[in-house]
Parts: sequence; structure tokens; C-alpha cells
Amino acid sequence: DTGVSQNPRHKITKRGQNVTFRCDPISEHNRLYWYRQTLGQGPEFLTYFQNEAQLEKSRLLSDRFSAERPKGSFSTLEIQRTEQGDSAMYLCASSPSVGDAFFGQGTRLTVV
Amino acid sequence: QKEVEQDPGPLSVPEGAIVSLNCTYSNSAFQYFMWYRQYSRKGPELLMYTYSSGNKEDGRFTAQVDKSSKYISLFIRDSQPSDSATYLCAMRRGNAGNMLTFGGGTRLMVKP
Repeated sequence: DTGVSQNPRHKITKRGQNVTFRCDPISEHNRLYWYRQTLGQGPEFLTYFQNEAQLEKSRLLSDRFSAERPKGSFSTLEIQRTEQGDSAMYLCASSPSVGDAFFGQGTRLTVV
Repeated sequence: QKEVEQDPGPLSVPEGAIVSLNCTYSNSAFQYFMWYRQYSRKGPELLMYTYSSGNKEDGRFTAQVDKSSKYISLFIRDSQPSDSATYLCAMRRGNAGNMLTFGGGTRLMVKP
């Protein structure tokens, strides 16, 4: 499968725990994006990488959230001290320098 | 007020009907307009992509952009039960990479 891959697909965690999600973009894509989607809403932009550089972060990305793309390939999104309000679908997308963004299937986080 | 507004539906139509889905937006800097289809618990899938005003047709799908009215539409001809999904409009500024601003999505149900 040459699409955007996200792992895990589902994560249930207790409030206060840390969680980390992984995204493997389409191999030739140098741009990578994280979005968050809550039930009944459209995705909301969180952050954007071009290669390994994090170029933009939304104000939605509180200091409990951190994203990395260490070698310009896969990316991780970590949420520290999770809260119930963090429950959502976390979507990763990738694109080439010029062209459309393709989304992964998402990681669904439930904080109990 | 959100930058991109979309009627959440649900919109229920019989098989074979013509479907019209719409979004309005407030930011005149948006230049690129997309429609994504999202099946339940899946990631968004790009359907149509248009730049500036005008029409674009692809099979049973037609996208229209009216920048003067800040209004975009997606028409689906000969709708099929497999078209039942949530349709998300998305848009971006010209220099914003692929950082997309989404509408909230319209849920479409096509009844056989």
C-alpha cells in the first residue's frame, strides 16, 4: 500500500497518560500535515512540516502537544497528560511541493 | 463565525437524483477549493480540486466556484447508494502549502 499510513488506528488511554501516534507519508512527499477531527466537525489544522522543518503550528496545538519529523520521512505526534477533550480523530496528510494532499485513515483517540 | 460554513444535513435523496452540496466562506484570500468525501471512520478522500472561479467536471461530479459570492458547490449526477458519505469542502490561500480550512461537512444519504 503506497498511501499515507497511520498507527495505531485506535487508542484508548486513561486521562493523564501520554500517547504517541505515528504517520508514514507517501514516500516522495516532502510535506506532512497533522489535523484533528471531532465528531460532526471538519478536520482542523494542527501543524505542518516541510521535510524535517516544522513550519507552522496552529494555536490549537497546546504545549501538551508535540510533533516531530526527525529525518523528513515519518512523523510522530505526542500528547502529554491527556485530557478528555483530546478525544478525537487525528489525521495525517502528505503532499508533494506542488499538488494535492492525501490523508491517512486516522488514529482515533479515546481518553477515559 | 467560522471561516467556512457548510450545512451539516443530513441530506437524504433517492437513487438517481441530482445532489447539490454547498459551502460559503468569508476569507477572500482563499484561492484553491477542494471537495473531500469521507466515509464513516475513514480518512477524507479528495474528489475535486479547483483554482479560482469557474466550473470543473469529472465524471458524475461537477464543482463550481463563485469567488464574487464566496460560494462553492458540488453537484453529483445520477447519485448512487455508494455516494452515501460525509462531503467536506476545503480551501486554502495561495501561499499556504496545503494547510486547509474545512467546512463542517454535509452528511449525504442516497436511498436505493
